[in-house]
Amino acid sequence: NAGVTQTPKFQVLKTGQSMTLQCAQDMNHNSMYWYRQDPGMGLRLIYYSASEGTTDKGEVPNGYNVSRLNKREFSLRLESAAPSQTSVYFCASRMQAGVADTQYFGPGTRLTVL
Amino acid sequence: AQRVTQPEKLLSVFKGAPVELKCNYSYSGSPELFWYVQYSRQRLQLLLRHISRESIKGFTADLNKGETSFHLKKPFAQEEDSAMYYCALSKASGSRLTFGEGTQLTVNP
Repeated sequence: NAGVTQTPKFQVLKTGQSMTLQCAQDMNHNSMYWYRQDPGMGLRLIYYSASEGTTDKGEVPNGYNVSRLNKREFSLRLESAAPSQTSVYFCASRMQAGVADTQYFGPGTRLTVL
Repeated sequence: AQRVTQPEKLLSVFKGAPVELKCNYSYSGSPELFWYVQYSRQRLQLLLRHISRESIKGFTADLNKGETSFHLKKPFAQEEDSAMYYCALSKASGSRLTFGEGTQLTVNP
């Protein structure tokens, strides 16, 4: 099992450009999440998908959109990148919403917006 | 709304010394508490969770509902413990994790 995979690992964008961060998991998990990690602020939830076909906003959804393409894949899109979106982005998955279980994290995508 | 606070952004100890990473939370219901660890340039991974009452890599954490705390402790720190540690909270019946700001632990030789 590869677990949770993310592409790309690194990305540099110019202000106003768009891009999609890809995430996939092979553990048959129902729930998937997107976080951003910034120094001194911990991990903040951007969007999550409790199950295939549903998505919900987290703490910091502005400037982002998501798509739960199927049970395996959950993508994060920046339509018009801004320097404030420079961050490390982590995708995670969890077996079942409502169960006290662990979240499994991907390796992260380091995004710089110039 | 739930909130997790880790008051120390940086913590430095010497090898062999005891270490305690503080975590306080606010939540009106019965939370599930977790500690995650992130070694340099690696992904986050679960260290332990309070419902398991386990000890992982010598670390333990006790949920104190009266003080709303879930401090992480290890009696003898090792250099390989140097990492970023995050405390996290989940509602007992919910799927979202709320993370604290993180504590960067450095264990000096």
